[in-house]
Amino acid sequence: DAKTTQPTSMDCAEGRAANLPCNHSTISGNEYVYWYRQIHSQGPQYIIHGLKNNETNEMASLIITEDRKSSTLILPHATLRDTAVYYCIAHRRTSYDKVIFGPGTSLSVIP
Amino acid sequence: NAGVTQTPKFQVLKTGQSMTLQCAQDMNHNSMYWYRQDPGMGLRLIYYSASEGTTDKGEVPNGYNVSRLNKREFSLRLESAAPSQTSVYFCATTETGRNTEAFFGQGTRLTVV
Repeated sequence: DAKTTQPTSMDCAEGRAANLPCNHSTISGNEYVYWYRQIHSQGPQYIIHGLKNNETNEMASLIITEDRKSSTLILPHATLRDTAVYYCIAHRRTSYDKVIFGPGTSLSVIP
Repeated sequence: NAGVTQTPKFQVLKTGQSMTLQCAQDMNHNSMYWYRQDPGMGLRLIYYSASEGTTDKGEVPNGYNVSRLNKREFSLRLESAAPSQTSVYFCATTETGRNTEAFFGQGTRLTVV
């Protein structure tokens, strides 16, 4: 599975959009981009995933560049409860045995 | 519907003691995984089980054994605990071959003194 690179930390003002970038320049054609978040050492929680089209659900939006080498997770109106570590991973839709969960981005939402 | 349940939530062991971490899922998923997470780090895969009756090593299997008791349960055993195994352990499940969103338990915080 492709390696991903994320900034170590980010801040966002409460109520503003949080835009979390992820680089996956070696992604292959059959690999999906998945985002998870981990709040205060709880188990990671799935947020959203996509292949090449932009995706939106009740939690977030995922924007994938046309060349698929990078993506951005958007939390449209960040709240204090969105403070968490966000993980971007790229893998084929089969098994997680080759998935690499790196250190992620620590997002702090500031009042 | 509990999802993925891990027991215990906290445990302190002395060096050399043994223990088994339990994981049970009610999602009828085929694949189950054990990860460890050290402070400030991502998740590292210890062992996984693609289906009932099969287990395979992940990135950091040394010092651990696993048992896939049935489709619901996947246990992780430390035969002789070492301080280097102090970590938070997470169990996860996925439905192989379909929408592979992973579901995680709440973790077991293990301290080896």
